Amino acid sequence: AQKITQTQPGMFVQEKEAVTLDCTYDTSDPSYGLFWYKQPSSGEMIFLIYQGSYDQQNATEGRYSLNFQKARKSANLVISASQLGDSAMYFCAMRDLLMNYGGSQGNLIFGKGTKLSVKP
Amino acid sequence: NAGVTQTPKFRILKIGQSMTLQCTQDMNHNYMYWYRQDPGMGLKLIYYSVGAGITDKGEVPNGYNVSRSTTEDFPLRLELAAPSQTSVYFCASSPRTSGNVEQYFGPGTRLTVT
Repeated sequence: AQKITQTQPGMFVQEKEAVTLDCTYDTSDPSYGLFWYKQPSSGEMIFLIYQGSYDQQNATEGRYSLNFQKARKSANLVISASQLGDSAMYFCAMRDLLMNYGGSQGNLIFGKGTKLSVKP
Repeated sequence: NAGVTQTPKFRILKIGQSMTLQCTQDMNHNYMYWYRQDPGMGLKLIYYSVGAGITDKGEVPNGYNVSRSTTEDFPLRLELAAPSQTSVYFCASSPRTSGNVEQYFGPGTRLTVT
């Protein structure tokens, strides 16, 4: 069964510094997709970045980058130059690969999240 | 473009009452999902749909029902509400289930059962 593990319940970072949020995953399928979402205190889920298992390069989106180490089954999120507005819960997720109705279900399997607090 | 909308935003139910959480998307996505998020936890799948008329159970379906009569709408029905159903409920949609395609989430419904 697929599983996502986030071992850091909470993290603190100084404003303008970089921070790494850890994520490890477990799957036996060679093809998979990994996602990071941000959930601010207002509660909405905001998509940040995607990494496919066959992507040759680590994904980047602005200040977000994904440190993808396939052999170690890790997909850590790196936020550069932290801002006060980055304070939020961050969730790592994997697309479910169970097949139904001729295709993948496509739902996301989430970790428990990491609460990031940015200090001024 | 409204994306995924959910109503209501908040609701308090008494034990044993029933209600329907509404979800609508205007992106013509075939795939739709209902998740629940308990305090301090990630999201768990309740039900999903791969298109109008086709729904199936997820990880935590007990106490819920869904229907999908149109591409746009995917309501979630709670029958005989229990305190264990106190949670935040998210609806999401996606155009396909492969590649660099995110799931689009609604703003959530915060439900309290007392």
